[in-house]
Amino acid sequence: GAVVSQHPSRVICKSGTSVKIECRSLDFQATTMFWYRQFPKQSLMLMATSNEGSKATYEQGVEKDKFLINHASLTLSTLTVTSAHPEDSSFYICSARVTGASNYGYTFGSGTRLTVV
Amino acid sequence: AQRVTQPEKLLSVFKGAPVELKCNYSYSGSPELFWYVQYSRQRLQLLLRHISRESIKGFTADLNKGETSFHLKKPFAQEEDSAMYYCALASGGYQKVTFGTGTKLQVIP
Repeated sequence: GAVVSQHPSRVICKSGTSVKIECRSLDFQATTMFWYRQFPKQSLMLMATSNEGSKATYEQGVEKDKFLINHASLTLSTLTVTSAHPEDSSFYICSARVTGASNYGYTFGSGTRLTVV
Repeated sequence: AQRVTQPEKLLSVFKGAPVELKCNYSYSGSPELFWYVQYSRQRLQLLLRHISRESIKGFTADLNKGETSFHLKKPFAQEEDSAMYYCALASGGYQKVTFGTGTKLQVIP
């Protein structure tokens, strides 16, 4: 089946530094990827939609200069949290849209636990 | 605006009892609805999609457009069903997916 690989699974960084999270589609091409943020015991909140070769579409309230998204190829999207602060600590999940005659929907990465100290 | 509501944060049932996880949605167009499951320490996995009308692991879900619901059901709960369940709605063309807040299903042995 369609698999999305997300790395790193955990990262701890100091305030003010930047962190890059990668999301790769392993056996399919993902023209569209989604980035979510999940707070403890809460649902997934869509941050942005990433389209290969074009600018990402950010949800209302999400700072595009803080959460930089790059989708330069059909198998890789990255989310960079710039100048991280403790309030950015969260669980970030990527997802890719899977299209096909018999297999469509969304497949998810395993998530990245970001802790900013 | 599209919205997905899962009214129950926690649902506890005994093993062998029927399960119904509620999901209501609000969307002006034709929705594509899904159920996702997240077992402990694992990633989100697709459980069901309404258009396929399939049964996975004994779970079924029927789209009721009149009641704008997509409840997830299973006649006999098993311990391994314990997990977080998320109802999700995709807008036309899969441009946006909205998740419900999730329901934690706890099956008591």
